[in-house]
Amino acid sequence: SAVISQKPSRDICQRGTSLTIQCQVDSQVTMMFWYRQQPGQSLTLIATANQGSEATYESGFVIDKFPISRPNLTFSTLTVSNMSPEDSSIYLCSALGTPAQETQYFGPGTRLLVL
Amino acid sequence: QKEVEQNSGPLSVPEGAIASLNCTYSDRGSQSFFWYRQYSGKSPELIMFIYSNGDKEDGRFTAQLNKASQYVSLLIRDSQPSDSATYLCAVNSGGFKTIFGAGTRLFVKA
Repeated sequence: SAVISQKPSRDICQRGTSLTIQCQVDSQVTMMFWYRQQPGQSLTLIATANQGSEATYESGFVIDKFPISRPNLTFSTLTVSNMSPEDSSIYLCSALGTPAQETQYFGPGTRLLVL
Repeated sequence: QKEVEQNSGPLSVPEGAIASLNCTYSDRGSQSFFWYRQYSGKSPELIMFIYSNGDKEDGRFTAQLNKASQYVSLLIRDSQPSDSATYLCAVNSGGFKTIFGAGTRLFVKA
């Protein structure tokens, strides 16, 4: 299985600022994903982070608001730009790993509060 | 639109009982099926995966898959209070994207 770490684990930010979340996987993985989860709600896929090309965003999410980088097969970042209180959520990094290529593993999450 | 449906619960069972969690999916071409457990304030943790029709057992957990009925379930035997969590059903149709259900909250009463 893939072991995934995220930084920061939590943050409190002011409206209008930006926060970059880092995700590190302990092995090379094909696919990395970014999710958002409101308390008590289900996972919402933000985008698929593609190595060497632009991320693929889901409906309702745009690159200007959530720029993503994936410089190599073990690392990705998600930036939450020009934050508003509505962006307060848990942001989860995920990667496909063994035993099956379709098996997704999750990082511990980043808890973001925007004031 | 591919969908994965779960009863949101909460499902309440007494300690020692069998908890039965159910999930249906819309894409008949789905190939891989997963159950994740998510404790409050934590990230989802993979507990079972199943590809073939029938049952797959791992300790106190049994995953059941019926592709004809597009139905997958998770049985937890001898339920413990520590099993209290939200259980997410997830389905992959052969591509890189996995569709997650909204989850069923399980509460095991001591």
